[in-house]
Amino acid sequence: AQKVTQAQTEISVVEKEDVTLDCVYETRDTTYYLFWYKQPPSGELVFLIRRNSFDEQNEISGRYSWNFQKSTSSFNFTITASQVVDSAVYFCALSAYGGSQGNLIFGKGTKLSVKP
Amino acid sequence: DGGITQSPKYLFRKEGQNVTLSCEQNLNHDAMYWYRQDPGQGLRLIYYSQIVNDFQKGDIAEGYSVSREKKESFPLTVTSAQKNPTAFYLCATYRETGSNEQYFGPGTRLTVT
Repeated sequence: AQKVTQAQTEISVVEKEDVTLDCVYETRDTTYYLFWYKQPPSGELVFLIRRNSFDEQNEISGRYSWNFQKSTSSFNFTITASQVVDSAVYFCALSAYGGSQGNLIFGKGTKLSVKP
Repeated sequence: DGGITQSPKYLFRKEGQNVTLSCEQNLNHDAMYWYRQDPGQGLRLIYYSQIVNDFQKGDIAEGYSVSREKKESFPLTVTSAQKNPTAFYLCATYRETGSNEQYFGPGTRLTVT
């Protein structure tokens, strides 16, 4: 069965601190996609990144970076120099590669609070 | 502008009434999804449709029904059989090509008393 675990329910940091959100997944598929979404207080989910299972290269986008390690089934997300606008709930998700790849399995989310 | 519309943003109903949540998209995406989100929980899949006139149950379909008569529209009916209907409902679309991400609507918060 597929499963995504985000062990950190809530994290609180002070502005400019670095913060890492953990994501561990389980799947029997050899190829799959991993995602991170941001849900601000307005409620709409915002896509942040997609990673293919056959591409373990880490990615950096501005203050955001992602560390994908297939050996530990983890896809962690780091925000460098956090800002108040980063306060949101962040979801990690997994999908199959192929016909049903639109079907996402979500973790329970990590609520990040960045205080000024 | 292209996107997904869910209306209304907030919806209130009395227990025992059926209620239909609207989801419309002009992205020309084939697949559409309905998720339910409860406080402190992730998103759970209710129903999805990969093509017009066809849909499949997700993980928590009991007490819900859908239709997909048009590519642009995927309404969700919360029936009186749904024991705990109060939740935040999100609609999403997906396109096979491209970035393979799901696009989400703004959501409808349903409160049943």
